[in-house]
Amino acid sequence: EPEVTQTPSHQVTQMGQEVILRCVPISNHLYFYWYRQILGQKVEFLVSFYNNEISEKSEIFDDQFSVERPDGSNFTLKIRSTKLEDSAMYFCASSEARTRGDYNEQFFGPGTRLTVL
Amino acid sequence: AQSVTQLGSHVSVSEGALVLLRCNYSSSVPPYLFWYVQYPNQGLQLLLKYTTGATLVKGINGFEAEFKKSETSFHLTKPSAHMSDAAEYFCAVRGNTGNQFYFGTGTSLTVIP
Repeated sequence: EPEVTQTPSHQVTQMGQEVILRCVPISNHLYFYWYRQILGQKVEFLVSFYNNEISEKSEIFDDQFSVERPDGSNFTLKIRSTKLEDSAMYFCASSEARTRGDYNEQFFGPGTRLTVL
Repeated sequence: AQSVTQLGSHVSVSEGALVLLRCNYSSSVPPYLFWYVQYPNQGLQLLLKYTTGATLVKGINGFEAEFKKSETSFHLTKPSAHMSDAAEYFCAVRGNTGNQFYFGTGTSLTVIP
């Protein structure tokens, strides 16, 4: 069964460093998403991506963050100059693209736990 | 704006007992509601969803949920808990613009033998 994969499963970095979190969405999906969950808090939407551009983003997704589809299979989240408060579980998701307004089931990856020291 | 609230961050039930996980939503438009389950070291897996139509929806693994507009609730139930049900459960509502989901804080279900 197709699934969304994410690497690495756990990333430890020093404050101020850049990190890139990687995701491989399901191959025929065209919508991609990043969510994060700070320990003990809600899963929060960060950004959605469609047709090689950001579709929507939350207020969390500031200039520190960027997303990219560098090739036909990967979808990445880059965090520049990480801060302590960026420590969280980051989930990637993907869905099929359908007519606007239709429901698109999102399939989630297992997450990358980011620890900023 | 859309949001969900899950009451009880931890729920423990005995094997064979009823499972009830609570979710209340806030939405300015008719909501699309979801329950996801997360097993250790795995991604979020869709259990069931409500979009339109029948208010009692059945999902995988014997779970079901009832959409109650008057109570703004979408509680998840299972008549008889199994050890394999131990996991984290998330309620979510889809945003009314776009496709982003708004999740609750999750409920950790423990099943006691």
